[in-house]
Amino acid sequence: QVQLQQRGAELLKPSETLSLTCVVDGAYFSSYFWNWIRQPPGKGLEWIGEINHSGITNYNPSLKSRVTLSVDKSRNQVSLKMSSVTVADTGVYYCAKDLIDGEDSWGQGTLVTVSA
Amino acid sequence: DIQMTQSPSTLSASVGDRVTITCRASQSISTWLAWYQQKPGKAPNLLIYGASTLKSGVPSRFSGSGSGTEFTLTISSLQPDDLATYHCQQFSSYPYTFGQGTKLEIK
Repeated sequence: QVQLQQRGAELLKPSETLSLTCVVDGAYFSSYFWNWIRQPPGKGLEWIGEINHSGITNYNPSLKSRVTLSVDKSRNQVSLKMSSVTVADTGVYYCAKDLIDGEDSWGQGTLVTVSA
Repeated sequence: DIQMTQSPSTLSASVGDRVTITCRASQSISTWLAWYQQKPGKAPNLLIYGASTLKSGVPSRFSGSGSGTEFTLTISSLQPDDLATYHCQQFSSYPYTFGQGTKLEIK
């Protein structure tokens, strides 16, 4: 299974910029799209977007104005930046491998708390 | 966006029961559908992709069917370990969207 590593938790104030990283198993970094998915407390899953090793991206239009996905090939790392966060952005943020080969892999998730 | 609607939102069943969860798409997605199981405090785990293909290692009591706009996830004989929330996700077009989830409780 492809390994993905995420940091444990982030605490932000409203209007700040969220920065998350996901370190991907180097053997597979160039093989897949890497997705970002979030889950507010007690709620369902929301797809944020995806990026591949070449920097090709697809975004959820509902978040596109505030989200930027990027890659650092030297570190086998994908990153998410979300500007102007609000309380509604609180939740667990996951990075996950695409399903092109019928196998999934997920990071352990980063708990993001936005509070004044 | 394609809207995915799951039903029921909550389901209570007994060990050994046959359980069915439905996912409806607001427009045809062919068989571009996946089902996930999510246990409390954990990331989702893929069960089925392509609407009906069981991921390797997933117990055979899980099965998926459907195409177009209506899909079902069936657990043929419910086990205590199946306590979880189940999510569907469409991959037909961007943005990929999820159903709201079905929480499965064991009686």
